[in-house]
Amino acid sequence: AQKVTQAQTEISVVEKEDVTLDCVYETRDTTYYLFWYKQPPSGELVFLIRRNSFDEQNEISGRYSWNFQKSTSSFNFTITASQVVDSAVYFCALGTGSARQLTFGSGTQLTVLP
Amino acid sequence: DVKVTQSSRYLVKRTGEKVFLECVQDMDHENMFWYRQDPGLGLRLIYFSYDVKMKEKGDIPEGYSVSREKKERFSLILESASTNQTSMYLCASSPPGQGFLQPQHFGDGTRLSIL
Repeated sequence: AQKVTQAQTEISVVEKEDVTLDCVYETRDTTYYLFWYKQPPSGELVFLIRRNSFDEQNEISGRYSWNFQKSTSSFNFTITASQVVDSAVYFCALGTGSARQLTFGSGTQLTVLP
Repeated sequence: DVKVTQSSRYLVKRTGEKVFLECVQDMDHENMFWYRQDPGLGLRLIYFSYDVKMKEKGDIPEGYSVSREKKERFSLILESASTNQTSMYLCASSPPGQGFLQPQHFGDGTRLSIL
């Protein structure tokens, strides 16, 4: 069975602080994909990144960075110098061939205070 | 940009009613999905479709059905609405290829209340 755990239900930071959102996954598949989505208050989930299981390189996109570690089954997301517009619910998701669908974590509500 | 449009942002219905939630995408995507989102549970897949007239059950199909008569439109049907179906419903679509591998594009969601 596939499982995604986002243990942090809510995080609150002050603007300009760095913040890391944790994601731990479980699967027996050797080939899989990991995703991060952002859901702002407007409701629409926005795709942020996709990473396959054979690519453990960390990725940086502006203030966003992702750390994929197969050894700990984690795919963590860091926002550097957070801004109020980063306030949203962030979802981590896992896609595998055996499940043939995405399994989402329960989400982390990030609030960035001015 | 892909646009996924859900017919209603907010909807209030009564117990026992048959409810239709409509979703249209404008990018000729083969794959379409219906999820429900509840606090603390994340997104759970109800049904998905990889082609016209094709459907597959997700994790929580009970009490729901779907219809995909045209490629761009994917409808979710609550056969006899119950209060435990009060939730946020999200529609998504993705490009050709196995749905679990592709980034999905989501609509704004329909917040459905069953009284």
